[in-house]
Amino acid sequence: DAGVTQTPRHEVAEKGQTIILKCEPVSGHNDLFWYRQTKIQGLELLSYFRSKSLMEDGGAFKDRFKAEMLNSSFSTLKIQPTEPKDSAVYLCASSFGDTGQLYFGEGSKLTVL
Amino acid sequence: SQWGEENLQALSIQEGEDVTMNCSYKTYTTVVQWYRQKSGKGPALIILIRSNEREKRSGRLRATLDTSSQSSSLSITGTLATDTAVYFCATALQGGRALIFGTGTTVSVSP
Repeated sequence: DAGVTQTPRHEVAEKGQTIILKCEPVSGHNDLFWYRQTKIQGLELLSYFRSKSLMEDGGAFKDRFKAEMLNSSFSTLKIQPTEPKDSAVYLCASSFGDTGQLYFGEGSKLTVL
Repeated sequence: SQWGEENLQALSIQEGEDVTMNCSYKTYTTVVQWYRQKSGKGPALIILIRSNEREKRSGRLRATLDTSSQSSSLSITGTLATDTAVYFCATALQGGRALIFGTGTTVSVSP
């Protein structure tokens, strides 16, 4: 079975640009999460969807970050406009059932110049 | 923050040695999950322990959970170079499903 797929793996953007990161969850999973990972802050929750409905969003990320689930098998994270402090690895994860286990993709590394 | 301090932010050991890492959490939880993240990869679950288990084993891994002190530990026995990774503890806030992760412990195992 395919795991969580994230594209692109690497993205370099100029300050002020708009970037879109993509995620395909594990087939059949109905929970989808976006996290940001940096060395200083660690893993921070950006958004959580259940069956395409937004359940939680990281309050600190609301203004320039927008995650969407276009259908049950595809999600995007848009950052607009980008700032150098957005440089990080963005991880997408999905889960199913009651265990709460998350299945992560390999991440998209964003560098904002 | 859901999590308090994680002991041993980074440590280097030799293959064959045992290692234990700890984390403490601040709010009520019934499940603690431990994830391992290797360089360039996303975190992957290695062991999950529930509040009624106190101890859980999986191969060379052993997790404990002490709800009275709100702490959990992960031990790896007979480490291998392939155990080199960052280890995170994680739990969901009560009533939620999104996991909150600790700051992680970096373990480097030399052959």
